[in-house]
Order: sequence, then C-alpha cells, then structure tokens
Amino acid sequence: SQTIHQWPATLVQPVGSPLSLECTVEGTSNPNLYWYRQAAGRGLQLLFYSVGIGQISSEVPQNLSASRPQDRQFILSSKKLLLSDSGFYLCAWSSRGGYEQYFGPGTRLTVT
Amino acid sequence: DQQVKQNSPSLSVQEGRISILNCDYTNSMFDYFLWYKKYPAEGPTFLISISSIKDKNEDGRFTVFLNKSAKHLSLHIVPSQPGDSAVYFCAATSWGYKLSFGAGTTVTVRA
Repeated sequence: SQTIHQWPATLVQPVGSPLSLECTVEGTSNPNLYWYRQAAGRGLQLLFYSVGIGQISSEVPQNLSASRPQDRQFILSSKKLLLSDSGFYLCAWSSRGGYEQYFGPGTRLTVT
Repeated sequence: DQQVKQNSPSLSVQEGRISILNCDYTNSMFDYFLWYKKYPAEGPTFLISISSIKDKNEDGRFTVFLNKSAKHLSLHIVPSQPGDSAVYFCAATSWGYKLSFGAGTTVTVRA
C-alpha cells in the first residue's frame, strides 16, 4: 500500500531564517506530487505541483519554492521566512491520471 | 477567486441523525468532485467522489449527490456517529491536477 511521509511535524522558525520541508511517498511510482497550505480557518491552497523529476509548476507567487530531486521526493523551501508563511503545510500525491489526491500528516509551521 | 464554496462553516447534528453538507461551485468546466474529512493537526482523508456523468454515488454511510444544473453537490452521512466530528472539505477539478477546495464545514455530532 502507498504511504506518504512528511517531516517535521511541527516547526518554529524566526523571521528571515531558511526553510526546508520534506515529503516522501512509498509504494507507488511516477506519482504527481503537490504542496498545499492551509491558513487558519481557511481552505487548502495549492502552492506547487509536480508531474515528474525536476518539473515544478507554481500556482501562486510567493516566498517559497519547491523541488523534486527524486521520483518520490518533494521538498518545499524558502531562503528567508516571513511571518505570513506561518500555516499548516500539506504534501499530497496522486497517481497518473487519477483525480483523488492523498495527503500526508502535515507540518505546522510557526514563524516568529 | 473562490470557485468552490461551502457556505455553512459549521453544522451540529445529533448522533444517529442525518448530516447534510452542501457545496456550490461556479466553474462549469469542473467534471469531478471529491469530499475530504480532516481531523485537527492531521492531513485530509479522501472520503468519496463523484464524476459529472453521475448524479449520485454511495459508499456505506456516505452518499454524494450532484446537481449539475444548479452547480451544487451535497454529502449525506447517515447515521451520524461521534467519530464523524471533523472538518469536511469539498473539492472540484476539471483536469485532474488541480483541486479547488472549499473553506470547509465543521461537523459536530452530539451524543
């Protein structure tokens, strides 16, 4: 069966510090991968998606970037965090041609 | 722009009764709709979905209804159980990569 991992589970970072969140998927090959953010009391906002290694599409201009160095690894990064980057970050995967997306446990990021 | 709307932020229902969650969308190109359930501090869990070629899909206690002409879908949970207390998100897509999510409805099942 497929499993998706995210770490860390929680993170507190000062403004201006770098960020690296990692997501890995097991039990599937060539998945589509996604990064979402959920702000407090809001829905899920798609930040990035990837259909293959090195292929990243950005949905919203922002202080964040994403990379996919391996087929089942997706990384969310920032060089300098802003207060507005605080939120709950979720990684998800879907199969090629599949509509359903399956989410990881999420990372709670607090920028202070 | 919010293409998927869940206009009820919360719903309280007695255990054993029916929970009805509503969702409206504006993009007529959406052809697949999904419901997710989310507990606090966890990722959303896929619950049930429906294609635009159908008007109903049922899975156990969960049934999703789609009214394309009204651009409206609903999720029925019968009977409601305490473990159903969670936030429910409606989502829609037109070509599989991008899901547009509603803001969510918090369901509380009372004993």
